[in-house]
Amino acid sequence: DTGVSQNPRHKITKRGQNVTFRCDPISEHNRLYWYRQTLGQGPEFLTYFQNEAQLEKSRLLSDRFSAERPKGSFSTLEIQRTEQGDSAMYLCASSLNWTGGNYGYTFGSGTRLTVV
Amino acid sequence: QKEVEQDPGPLSVPEGAIVSLNCTYSNSAFQYFMWYRQYSRKGPELLMYTYSSGNKEDGRFTAQVDKSSKYISLFIRDSQPSDSATYLCAMRRVGGGNKLTFGTGTQLKVEL
Repeated sequence: DTGVSQNPRHKITKRGQNVTFRCDPISEHNRLYWYRQTLGQGPEFLTYFQNEAQLEKSRLLSDRFSAERPKGSFSTLEIQRTEQGDSAMYLCASSLNWTGGNYGYTFGSGTRLTVV
Repeated sequence: QKEVEQDPGPLSVPEGAIVSLNCTYSNSAFQYFMWYRQYSRKGPELLMYTYSSGNKEDGRFTAQVDKSSKYISLFIRDSQPSDSATYLCAMRRVGGGNKLTFGTGTQLKVEL
């Protein structure tokens, strides 16, 4: 287990279709985060989980977006009725609790979504 | 106005130069400060972490926080072509859950 794994790496979809992305965090990390990054911008927070509980959601996460982490391990992010404005890199990250020495996330390589 | 401001660059420097990257912020509740490096088509990777004001050094990298001015910096000494990447500052509030607020990133190119 060498890092955070995201699949697929790239997704092209037609406007109006549903898409689902998967994230496998580092196995001992109990916290999992989703961020969205558009070109020329920094990542923007979407939501995070501690184990299977979704503890915070950004207002960026409209009703068309849903995230799950059913067994506290992998997570999925689903976007329903995709719009062109959803085109972005979707980044997943994981971490331990904010105690001890390591306060940083480990990010995956992201899923690049293009809505045509 | 964004909570975290960062000059997007691009910044181009010759190999061996000292690079200075900066962010300003408006929310005084930010207490934890991080720098991430992001290569093209990759996720960000954590470079440096600092808590509150002060300096932290790690090899060729030095992170500096000035809370009175709401200003943070990352210095890269003896820059190398492999340092060419986008550098993102990130911040977290005390009691802010685990949400990080990122700057837009500065694109750096180190030329031979």
